[in-house]
Amino acid sequence: GAVVSQHPSRVICKSGTSVKIECRSLDFQATTMFWYRQFPKQSLMLMATSNEGSKATYEQGVEKDKFLINHASLTLSTLTVTSAHPEDSSFYICSAPERISGGPADTQYFGPGTRLTVL
Amino acid sequence: AQSVAQPEDQVNVAEGNPLTVKCTYSVSGNPYLFWYVQYPNRGLQFLLKYITGDNLVKGSYGFEAEFNKSQTSFHLKKPSALVSDSALYFCAVRPYSGAGSYQLTFGKGTKLSVIP
Repeated sequence: GAVVSQHPSRVICKSGTSVKIECRSLDFQATTMFWYRQFPKQSLMLMATSNEGSKATYEQGVEKDKFLINHASLTLSTLTVTSAHPEDSSFYICSAPERISGGPADTQYFGPGTRLTVL
Repeated sequence: AQSVAQPEDQVNVAEGNPLTVKCTYSVSGNPYLFWYVQYPNRGLQFLLKYITGDNLVKGSYGFEAEFNKSQTSFHLKKPSALVSDSALYFCAVRPYSGAGSYQLTFGKGTKLSVIP
């Protein structure tokens, strides 16, 4: 199947700093990517939909000024956690659909995740 | 709005025995159903999906799932469990709502433990 990478795999930062996480589709183009957050022993919570060439769409309750998303190209989306605080510590996962039919039947492939720890 | 229920937080099975991880869904219209597996501190790996056609879907690593429309279920199965199958399993649904709609709704996950 298609491969999605994330970088870094884990990051530790001080409170108040900003952290950028990259999500890349390695062997296919993705006009849409998704960013999820996962708390321990819980399911994935969709944070936002990243759209190439346009603004991201945020889910209710997600602060768009805190979680900045930039979909710079057809293979790269970045999530920047601005002014991070300990409560932002979590596992962040991105995904991208592989456009075979161009519809919702396409499989979504996930990155390996980024473990963020804010001290 | 669509939803997915995975009624079991944890499933324990002996190695070599058949395993079943349950999933039921609620969606308007035709569902697209997916199973993913997550190993510790890793992202989700795609196992299989149901789009249309044969109700029994075969996927990676010997897993299969059966779509049952009347029971709105999509249970994951494997004839003979391996210790390496121990992981967290997520069922997900996506309704057909036109091209470009990819948002998945996930169940809460089921932890599978295969006992040697």
